[in-house]
Amino acid sequence: GNSVTQMEGPVTLSEEAFLTINCTYTATGYPSLFWYVQYPGEGLQLLLKATKADDKGSNKGFEATYRKETTSFHLEKGSVQVSDSAVYFCALIEDTGGFKTIFGAGTRLFVKA
Amino acid sequence: DAMVIQNPRYQVTQFGKPVTLSCSQTLNHNVMYWYQQKSSQAPKLLFHYYDKDFNNEADTPDNFQSRRPNTSFCFLDIRSPGLGDAAMYLCATSRDPRQEETQYFGPGTRLLVL
Repeated sequence: GNSVTQMEGPVTLSEEAFLTINCTYTATGYPSLFWYVQYPGEGLQLLLKATKADDKGSNKGFEATYRKETTSFHLEKGSVQVSDSAVYFCALIEDTGGFKTIFGAGTRLFVKA
Repeated sequence: DAMVIQNPRYQVTQFGKPVTLSCSQTLNHNVMYWYQQKSSQAPKLLFHYYDKDFNNEADTPDNFQSRRPNTSFCFLDIRSPGLGDAAMYLCATSRDPRQEETQYFGPGTRLLVL
């Protein structure tokens, strides 16, 4: 079946460090890929998305590129801030227009000042 | 300007005592979802409503039911909570996924079963 695997956390970085959170997926169709972020005490919110191969999603300095050949959608940010501390979820919807979002287990990020 | 509201944020119930969690939205979205999220795990879809059409996931236990009396509100009913049902329950909404796949989440209700 379809699944999403992301690197285990927690990830602890100093402010201004480079961030990578790895995400790989398994899907039978042509999925849309997402990164959601969950700040403490809040619900998940969309960070960025990509709907087809080689698309790059970007938002708030975060980027991720849809790599079909490696079935990956790694999240990167060049310089993290304390305010980026949160849990990050990689997710997919198998086919465009589908209802079921499949989430990874989440990666907790701590950024130290 | 809260968009997806869940009440209560924390709910304590007793083993076997029915409990209802509520969700409301101000987005006028067609679809409403309920997810269960256990500690350090991925959110797991229980069911969703597309307008009034109810869609249950195959592995959702019969103990979990849902109601959507109107566009704005959706309820999760747990008929006989067990200790294993303690979790965070997330409500989400989206427009017609054929047009926009992004889901908008509420802050969640954490359920404790004693």
